[in-house]
Amino acid sequence: GNSVTQMEGPVTLSEEAFLTINCTYTATGYPSLFWYVQYPGEGLQLLLKATKADDKGSNKGFEATYRKETTSFHLEKGSVQVSDSAVYFCALSDRAAGNKLTFGGGTRVLVKP
Amino acid sequence: DGGITQSPKYLFRKEGQNVTLSCEQNLNHDAMYWYRQDPGQGLRLIYYSQIVNDFQKGDIAEGYSVSREKKESFPLTVTSAQKNPTAFYLCASSTPGTGNEKLFFGSGTQLSVL
Repeated sequence: GNSVTQMEGPVTLSEEAFLTINCTYTATGYPSLFWYVQYPGEGLQLLLKATKADDKGSNKGFEATYRKETTSFHLEKGSVQVSDSAVYFCALSDRAAGNKLTFGGGTRVLVKP
Repeated sequence: DGGITQSPKYLFRKEGQNVTLSCEQNLNHDAMYWYRQDPGQGLRLIYYSQIVNDFQKGDIAEGYSVSREKKESFPLTVTSAQKNPTAFYLCASSTPGTGNEKLFFGSGTQLSVL
């Protein structure tokens, strides 16, 4: 079956530091890949997505590249802010699995001023 | 403003009691979903509905029930058969045919057992 593995948190950073959250996946077909963000006390919001190999998703300074050869979709941001403190979820959607989303376990990020 | 409204924000359940979580959307989305979120774990799909009057079990449907009598509403009942109901419950919706590329989530309901 499909699965998504993320690095465990929490990840604690200082403001303006570089952030990387690793994500790898297993899928039976050719999935679309997503990063969702959850701010405290809220539901999830789509942060960025990539639908095919070598695509790069980007939004709000975050980037992730769909790497089919390494089955990865690592999230990066060059200079984080306190407002980036949240839980980040990697996810995939696979047509072979009826397009249902499969989520990773989430990575909590805490940015300190 | 369009969106998904979940209520209540906090809910407490006594042993042996059924409780119902509300989810309403005014986005005109056909598909709606219920997820359970436990600390340190990813979201797990409980039930989903692609169209009114139809719904399917997700990965962890045991101890839960749903109905979809209206397009806008997809309530989730946590029954007494669910022995470990304490979790954060998230409702979501999407438009079919988009490959679930963009789920819209509500702000969640935290359910705790007294």
